[in-house]
Amino acid sequence: NAGVMQNPRHLVRRRGQEARLRCSPMKGHSHVYWYRQLPEEGLKFMVYLQKENIIDESGMPKERFSAEFPKEGPSILRIQQVVRGDSAAYFCASSPRSGTGDYEQYFGPGTRLTVT
Amino acid sequence: SQQGEEDPQALSIQEGENATMNCSYKTSINNLQWYRQNSGRGLVHLILIRSNEREKHSGRLRVTLDTSKKSSSLLITASRAADTASYFCATFPSGGSNYKLTFGKGTLLTVNP
Repeated sequence: NAGVMQNPRHLVRRRGQEARLRCSPMKGHSHVYWYRQLPEEGLKFMVYLQKENIIDESGMPKERFSAEFPKEGPSILRIQQVVRGDSAAYFCASSPRSGTGDYEQYFGPGTRLTVT
Repeated sequence: SQQGEEDPQALSIQEGENATMNCSYKTSINNLQWYRQNSGRGLVHLILIRSNEREKHSGRLRVTLDTSKKSSSLLITASRAADTASYFCATFPSGGSNYKLTFGKGTLLTVNP
């Protein structure tokens, strides 16, 4: 069973360009989470999605950032008009269930975004 | 203030020694989890301890949880060079939002051969 897949692994964008980060959850997982890790920091929650639904986007900046998890295909984190402060590692995680009890979120390898 | 803060920030030991890392948190939790991150890589889940558990073992790992002090420790026994990594604790809050893992800044462990 392949793990959580993210691509690209490294992405370089100039200021003002758009960044699209993709995440394919583990097979059978319908819950996806995005986290951001700034240099020398721990991961910070951004958004939680289920198929075709955004459940909680409270950790995501209100402007320029959007996320989707369509019925078919990977989850996409989109950053428009990137700025240098967006440079970070973006991690996706997935789980087969969520919300109650004990469960593990399985993390992908991350996409390292560099804005020049 | 930040949930899940680890100390020390960095720890350097010799192979074969034990490594202890601590984590403190601020709000009530459902469970606490420890993750490892090798340099420039993703996170690997190590162990989960429930709020009603006090100690848990997995191989060379031993985790304790003291909910009265809102703290946890991770002990790695007989360390190896391959244990060199950053270690993070993460918590799920109790009551609502039991999907939003809150991470600390991590402890960078270096095991010297």
